Amino acid sequence: GIQVEQSPPDLILQEGANSTLRCNFSDSVNNLQWFHQNPWGQLINLFYIPSGTKQNGRLSATTVATERYSLLYISSSQTTDSGVYFCAVDRSYWGFTGANSKLTFGKGITLSVRP
Amino acid sequence: GAVVSQHPSRVICKSGTSVKIECRSLDFQATTMFWYRQFPKQSLMLMATSNEGSKATYEQGVEKDKFLINHASLTLSTLTVTSAHPEDSSFYICSAFRPGQGVIGYDSPLHFGNGTRLTVT
Repeated sequence: GIQVEQSPPDLILQEGANSTLRCNFSDSVNNLQWFHQNPWGQLINLFYIPSGTKQNGRLSATTVATERYSLLYISSSQTTDSGVYFCAVDRSYWGFTGANSKLTFGKGITLSVRP
Repeated sequence: GAVVSQHPSRVICKSGTSVKIECRSLDFQATTMFWYRQFPKQSLMLMATSNEGSKATYEQGVEKDKFLINHASLTLSTLTVTSAHPEDSSFYICSAFRPGQGVIGYDSPLHFGNGTRLTVT
């Protein structure tokens, strides 16, 4: 199956700093998502980004599908950004019902933002 | 936005008992739902794909007799952990696929519940 590697595994930032989180994947994908899992376990969908660039406030993401990587940028980090960031990919085309969807998650990046 | 409700959020049970976890899509009909398992400080692993009106498809290594999945309606899938043991203690998360949204391709059609933390004593 497809392999997903995220780096760095752990990241400690001072509040206000910027950071870049990386996701490499071993094969071509049709779907890629970035998630933030908060300390209560809730999985928050940040970006659905199989290719291209998207921005949402202080967060932005870029996926270069041809080179099999994606980057998540966090600017002006806040303590509420702390948690685990997951990248998840899927090779299959999801179609109308998503019956053949099979997300593979990376191991995650644990981010701690200190005040 | 689409909402998926998972219940209960936390459950403690005794070894040997069974526990049922519910996953509901509140504002859309989901023909396909998914169940994931997450051990502490680890990633999410897909356990099974739940299809409305048919048998679930289990991933390799997942015991179908221990983890019973029922997708009886377009808005409800249930996961029952039968004869639970301490090693079944984990965080279980469901997701539901919103039909048609995957075709559009801008936003993710996969919507996740808030998870259930199961502790077996």
